[in-house]
Amino acid sequence: RKEVEQDPGPFNVPEGATVAFNCTYSNSASQSFFWYRQDCRKEPKLLMSVYSSGNEDGRFTAQLNRASQYISLLIRDSKLSDSATYLCVALSPFGSARQLTFGSGTQLTVLP
Amino acid sequence: EAQVTQNPRYLITVTGKKLTVTCSQNMNHEYMSWYRQDPGLGLRQIYYSMNVEVTDKGDVPEGYKVSRKEKRNFPLILESPSPNQTSLYFCASSPMGGGRDEQYFGPGTRLTVT
Repeated sequence: RKEVEQDPGPFNVPEGATVAFNCTYSNSASQSFFWYRQDCRKEPKLLMSVYSSGNEDGRFTAQLNRASQYISLLIRDSKLSDSATYLCVALSPFGSARQLTFGSGTQLTVLP
Repeated sequence: EAQVTQNPRYLITVTGKKLTVTCSQNMNHEYMSWYRQDPGLGLRQIYYSMNVEVTDKGDVPEGYKVSRKEKRNFPLILESPSPNQTSLYFCASSPMGGGRDEQYFGPGTRLTVT
């Protein structure tokens, strides 16, 4: 089982739609979580950190459910520019240094 | 401009021919790391460095070497590349150690080993 699992998609949604991605993690000791965005053939960029109480940044909302070990990302009022691959990331303690584990990503295409 | 640079951006080479991919950051970051990205497998960490002269293995270190002689540079060395090292490679840096903060990625190096 992968440490961080995501539905690869693709998710094809019309402009203005609300779309949600889920991500599950297997290491219960994971301490922090992030969502990164990656445009085609480009480098990943941080979209938002995921706090235990959940957090919102404009049209984006991230939620963490530690009991069920999943993280979600909700995008409201989708824009064409939201088309990208969204990477779920877990930070796990590993020995004396912490390790980031990336999911393989969920591809989103917003259609006009 | 604050950035992470990688060179070369594209490289086609043959099995066994040693190569180095350079990575440099101008943000005075402590932490640097290398990832490879393969379809369906996501980003996997190869090596990381918490500071100068401090490096450690990530999830997939076999076939790779790194060094951190200066804070700003973190080259990735493939002593004897093989076709299974064909991949997209990203260097990343962050202000603090251990991935607790935002990772800044370089633009990527697409390597093909024939």
